[in-house]
Amino acid sequence: SYEVTQPPSVSVSPGQTARITCSGDALSKQYAYWYQQKPGQAPVLVIYKDTERPSGIPERFSGSSSGTTVTLTISGVQAEDEADYYCQSADSSASYVVFGGGTKLTVL
Amino acid sequence: QVQLVESGGGLVKPGGSLRLSCTASGFTFSDYYMSWIRQAPGRGLEWVSYISSSSSYTNYADSVKGRFTISRDNVKNSLYLQMNSLRAEDTAVYYCARAVVVITVNCYFDLWGRGTLVTVSS
Repeated sequence: SYEVTQPPSVSVSPGQTARITCSGDALSKQYAYWYQQKPGQAPVLVIYKDTERPSGIPERFSGSSSGTTVTLTISGVQAEDEADYYCQSADSSASYVVFGGGTKLTVL
Repeated sequence: QVQLVESGGGLVKPGGSLRLSCTASGFTFSDYYMSWIRQAPGRGLEWVSYISSSSSYTNYADSVKGRFTISRDNVKNSLYLQMNSLRAEDTAVYYCARAVVVITVNCYFDLWGRGTLVTVSS
């Protein structure tokens, strides 16, 4: 089955830049999406179609794509950004939706 | 108010059945694909199933194929998940989510409910 891979954890100090990667062969052909999930809450979409930001999401959240890796970048990290982040894409050949395992962002 | 509200979760014995419901409000339900996504305790997100706006197309994760059935009622603005032959590994919070289709099978989820907990245990 198709998988996308994220690092389990990323740590940054407030005000620094956090980068969370997601890798998978199909990412060169399929769009990727990013979700933020805080404890006890439902996920929230923060990036869609690799680089687009939904309305209401702060400008410090951005996305990029290069080959088989996509990256969520959070510039000027704030304490409120501490959360789990999940990338999501699709396996075009099998019509499956796939989520990465999630990355826990810790703000030191 | 644009929202999704799940219901129907609870404790069920292995091998048992449960039907989850999701009621949508504040948007034109019949315009959207819909999906179920679950999260086992302390684990990541796992896509379960989706259904097209007219119910003409459905798909399932391999882990639930043949046991779960997704359906919808566009008159009642409701989404359903019939879960049969439940196993301990189906224990999770089940989220209802609105899907935005980008290209054929590539979609993302822009609206989520708060989830309903399903516990499968004897």
